[in-house]
Amino acid sequence: AQSVTQPDIHITVSEGASLELRCNYSYGATPYLFWYVQSPGQGLQLLLKYFSGDTLVQGIKGFEAEFKRSQSSFNLRKPSVHWSDAAEYFCAVGAPLRYKLSFGAGTTVTVRA
Amino acid sequence: GAVVSQHPSWVICKSGTSVKIECRSLDFQATTMFWYRQFPKQSLMLMATSNEGSKATYEQGVEKDKFLINHASLTLSTLTVTSAHPEDSSFYICSARRRTSGEGYNEQFFGPGTRLTVL
Repeated sequence: AQSVTQPDIHITVSEGASLELRCNYSYGATPYLFWYVQSPGQGLQLLLKYFSGDTLVQGIKGFEAEFKRSQSSFNLRKPSVHWSDAAEYFCAVGAPLRYKLSFGAGTTVTVRA
Repeated sequence: GAVVSQHPSWVICKSGTSVKIECRSLDFQATTMFWYRQFPKQSLMLMATSNEGSKATYEQGVEKDKFLINHASLTLSTLTVTSAHPEDSSFYICSARRRTSGEGYNEQFFGPGTRLTVL
């Protein structure tokens, strides 16, 4: 079974600073990997996904993530955060040809002025 | 494209009553829909998976008689919380898997969620 670990529960970052959110997964083969963002009281919005190919994935809102098989990681990065990036971020893993997603516990991002 | 809606967005009900939540894929056909539950400051917990025209598959620990799921068409799934109690208060989110192949095969599109409060 697949699983996801997001080691950081809460991250505070200054506006304009860089952001990196960690995600480690457990799965026997190459999984499908996703990053979602959730604003308070809202559903999930897909930031980016990795299925295969180039291990550096570009997403929406200036986010990118890098798949590192050797480290079983899929960390999310943004070079310069905006106050609107304050939200909850979830990493998720899905097995190819299977439909279930397993979510990490989430990382809350606070942006200070 | 790939928009999923939920109705209602929030609902308050009395203990003992039943509440129905709708999940619709607005611009695509969804072969599979998923229902998640999210407690405050926690991650999403998958409750059940429903395929159009067949019975839902419930995750371990989820009471199927309490959380009734109907997937009547390729664009609509409903979750009915029967005899609701305060402990059922939560944020319920649905997602839909688009009927496609290739890279879209495993992608789920999420609804905005429904906040249920049981008094």
